Amino acid sequence: KQEVTQIPAALSVPEGENLVLNCSFTDSAIYNLQWFRQDPGKGLTSLLLIQSSQREQTSGRLNASLDKSSGRSTLYIAASQPGDSATYLCAVRMDSNYQLIWGAGTKLIIKP
Amino acid sequence: EAQVTQNPRYLITVTGKKLTVTCSQNMNHEYMSWYRQDPGLGLRQIYYSMNVEVTDKGDVPEGYKVSRKEKRNFPLILESPSPNQTSLYFCASSPYRGSTEAFFGQGTRLTVV
Repeated sequence: KQEVTQIPAALSVPEGENLVLNCSFTDSAIYNLQWFRQDPGKGLTSLLLIQSSQREQTSGRLNASLDKSSGRSTLYIAASQPGDSATYLCAVRMDSNYQLIWGAGTKLIIKP
Repeated sequence: EAQVTQNPRYLITVTGKKLTVTCSQNMNHEYMSWYRQDPGLGLRQIYYSMNVEVTDKGDVPEGYKVSRKEKRNFPLILESPSPNQTSLYFCASSPYRGSTEAFFGQGTRLTVV
């Protein structure tokens, strides 16, 4: 059974720092992996999608990498800003049934 | 504006009192689903629907019901809520099952006392 883990559960860093959020999964037979952002009262927003054949995806200051063989993905945020404060979730989609399997998230706080 | 709308946003109720959380999407999406989110756990799927009159259980369906009589609406029904159903609930829609394009509602925070 696929399990998705995100460590740490919470992270607080000063504004301007570059940071990395981690996501690991136990079954490497994934179809794709997505990173989402969750803001209180605003639902979830998809940030980046990496297909199983890809190694990374970039959007602005965000870069997501995928190492399927080791069961890991990272979300790199460059030059962090207070507006980046949110909970970041990763989710994997399996080949078999397209169901999304979610990590518990990392709550990120960027201090001004 | 493309959106998924859930109501209510917050609800406090008592054990055993039937309630319905509504979900509506304006994108003509075929696939809709309900999740619950609890501290320390990832989102878990409760029920999903691949089209009108087609619904199926997710990972944690016990204690919940759904219906899909119209394409745009996918209500979540708790016939007899219990305290262990206290959670944050999200409705989501996608053009089809497996689509990477997913829209989420703003969430409904439910407390059952």
